[in-house]
Amino acid sequence: EADIYQTPRYLVIGTGKKITLECSQTMGHDKMYWYQQDPGMELHLIHYSYGVNSTEKGDLSSESTVSRIRTEHFPLTLESARPSHTSQYLCASSLVYEQYFGPGTRLTVT
Amino acid sequence: DQQVKQNSPSLSVQKGRISILNCDYTNSMFDYFLWYKKYPAEGPTFLISISSIKDKNEDGRFTVFLNKSAKHLSLHIVPSQPGDSAVYFCAASTAEIGNQFYFGTGTSLTVIP
Repeated sequence: EADIYQTPRYLVIGTGKKITLECSQTMGHDKMYWYQQDPGMELHLIHYSYGVNSTEKGDLSSESTVSRIRTEHFPLTLESARPSHTSQYLCASSLVYEQYFGPGTRLTVT
Repeated sequence: DQQVKQNSPSLSVQKGRISILNCDYTNSMFDYFLWYKKYPAEGPTFLISISSIKDKNEDGRFTVFLNKSAKHLSLHIVPSQPGDSAVYFCAASTAEIGNQFYFGTGTSLTVIP
């Protein structure tokens, strides 16, 4: 059983607001990831981390930032939300090869 | 360019029959492959995986087959059940790229009662 949590599950917010999507895991995994996914599309990697104080940008250009101050916590921040950020955001962690996902945050920017 | 492809966006199967979901990849460096099941508004759930040193892995009703020469893998579900109705993603990874995971676009499976 994977223990990875995301809050909030759903968020509707106005354009220009700053938001932080939370992700925590209790499995002690070093690697953590953020993906963006729209219906009928593949998961796009937007950020990843190999451990504390390690963060990298993924393949998808993103206006978000992440931090990894603690192993278990990997929050994603949008400084100024735009309608184009409307999507599902999925957090994941892995030890080596198998990746486990949180329940996702459905973000709508109006 | 997409490195993992699922060319069938949808599949319908009768309850009790076999479901076969297909996936193709282009990067010969991939050495680990995974299948995930996803319900709407939820995160993907890990189903089954296979290492490139194997050509088959079985777990209950789920079997994954890997054909490295064709760069093709498939997921067989037998017998299919209505609860299997979901979107299925295949994914590929390799330590050579820092264990990044590449996903297909998913196949929506509907099992008809």
